[in-house]
Amino acid sequence: DAGITQSPRHKVTETGTPVTLRCHQTENHRYMYWYRQDPGHGLRLIHYSYGVKDTDKGEVSDGYSVSRSKTEDFLLTLESATSSQTSVYFCAIAQLNYGYTFGSGTRLTVV
Amino acid sequence: GQQVMQIPQYQHVQEGEDFTTYCNSSTTLSNIQWYKQRPGGHPVFLIQLVKSGEVKKQKRLTFQFGEAKKNSSLHITATQTTDVGTYFCAPGSNTDKLIFGTGTRLQVFP
Repeated sequence: DAGITQSPRHKVTETGTPVTLRCHQTENHRYMYWYRQDPGHGLRLIHYSYGVKDTDKGEVSDGYSVSRSKTEDFLLTLESATSSQTSVYFCAIAQLNYGYTFGSGTRLTVV
Repeated sequence: GQQVMQIPQYQHVQEGEDFTTYCNSSTTLSNIQWYKQRPGGHPVFLIQLVKSGEVKKQKRLTFQFGEAKKNSSLHITATQTTDVGTYFCAPGSNTDKLIFGTGTRLQVFP
C-alpha cells in the first residue's frame, strides 16, 4: 500500500528501556501520523507530522516523542517503556482523495 | 479533530442479513471518512463523504452523510463472511489529523 512500511513488526521489550519504531514511506508524502490501537479504545493519535522537522502532539502523546529528519522516515520513540504502552502501533500517511494509508503495524509488548 | 460516537459497538449477523453502523456528532462535520479493518489487519480507507445528504455506493456498501452533516451511516446489504471486521468512521478531510470513532465490530455467521 503506497510504499509504507513499519519496523519492527513485533517487539518485546523490558520496562524502562527506550524503544524506537520506524515508519518509512517511498512516495514523498508530506503528512504522516502515529496511532496506537488498544481493545476498547479504537485508534488514538499519538503524534503527527506535516513535514520535515514539523511535528505536533496528538491525543495520547505523553511518554512518546517523534522525529522526522527526512520526508520518508517518521520515528516514534518511547523514552522509557511502560506496560501501559503495550499496544499495536500504526503509522499512516495521508493521500489526497484516498484518505489515510496505514502500515501493517508494530505489535509492541512491554514486560 | 472533531469527535464522534459510533453505534453499535458490536453486531453479530447471519450471513445474508443486512448491517448498518452509525456515526454521530454533536457538531457539524466538514467531511467524514470510513475505514474497514479486518481481524489482525490494518485499517483500509473505504470512502470520504463531503456533501450534505451525499449517498455513495460501493457494490453492497452504501454510505450516507446526513443533511445536517452531523451523522453518517454505512449500510451493508446481504452480508458475507468477507465483511467481517471493524468499521471506523473519522471526521475530517484528507490531510486533517483524524480522530477515529471507536468502531463497530461486525461478525458474520455462515
